[in-house]
Amino acid sequence: GQNIDQPTEMTATEGAIVQINCTYQTSGFNGLFWYQQHAGEAPTFLSYNVLDGLEEKGRFSSFLSRSKGYSYLLLKELQMKDSASYLCASMDSNYQLIWGAGTKLIIKP
Amino acid sequence: ETGVTQTPRHLVMGMTNKKSLKCEQHLGHNAMYWYKQSAKKPLELMFVYNFKEQTENNSVPSRFSPECPNSSHLFLHLHTLQPEDSALYLCASSQDRAGGPTDTQYFGPGTRLTVL
Repeated sequence: GQNIDQPTEMTATEGAIVQINCTYQTSGFNGLFWYQQHAGEAPTFLSYNVLDGLEEKGRFSSFLSRSKGYSYLLLKELQMKDSASYLCASMDSNYQLIWGAGTKLIIKP
Repeated sequence: ETGVTQTPRHLVMGMTNKKSLKCEQHLGHNAMYWYKQSAKKPLELMFVYNFKEQTENNSVPSRFSPECPNSSHLFLHLHTLQPEDSALYLCASSQDRAGGPTDTQYFGPGTRLTVL
């Protein structure tokens, strides 16, 4: 079966760095997406990885290892507004996104 | 209007009611999606339309009926729903469904549905 695993909840301190891990098993692979979702709002696109390695975009970076079925989202210089759920999704061979349940990130002052 | 819009934002309905959710995308995309989001569960894909043609129906009960009159508009018609159908219903669109970054999905704000 197809499956995405990510931690349910994480807590970090304002100004610090946090890494949110995601492992995936999908039928085929056409890329790995990360989305941010604030409570009561729509998911918003953060990053897309299809090749191995690290993609940096400002304070956020995303890493992919296809051989390990593994990705992580790295958030630096955490701000209170980064408190949100972070959704990992893998695109399978039918171009369908398989979603994780999301990681709720709590930022403390 | 920009991006993806959805109306209504909140909806309360009885089990015998009939209502419709509306989604409109202003991005010039070719694919549109309906998702159901329940608390602490992964997003559940319900329907996919690509160039106005329905390409996927993920075993969704017939009390949910989609309609895509053109590539910018998507409706979800609801009738005789059950309390367990209460959830956030999200619409999304993407440029393509061909693999790659153009498959990135952009979401509307959702309709919070409560079935009494």
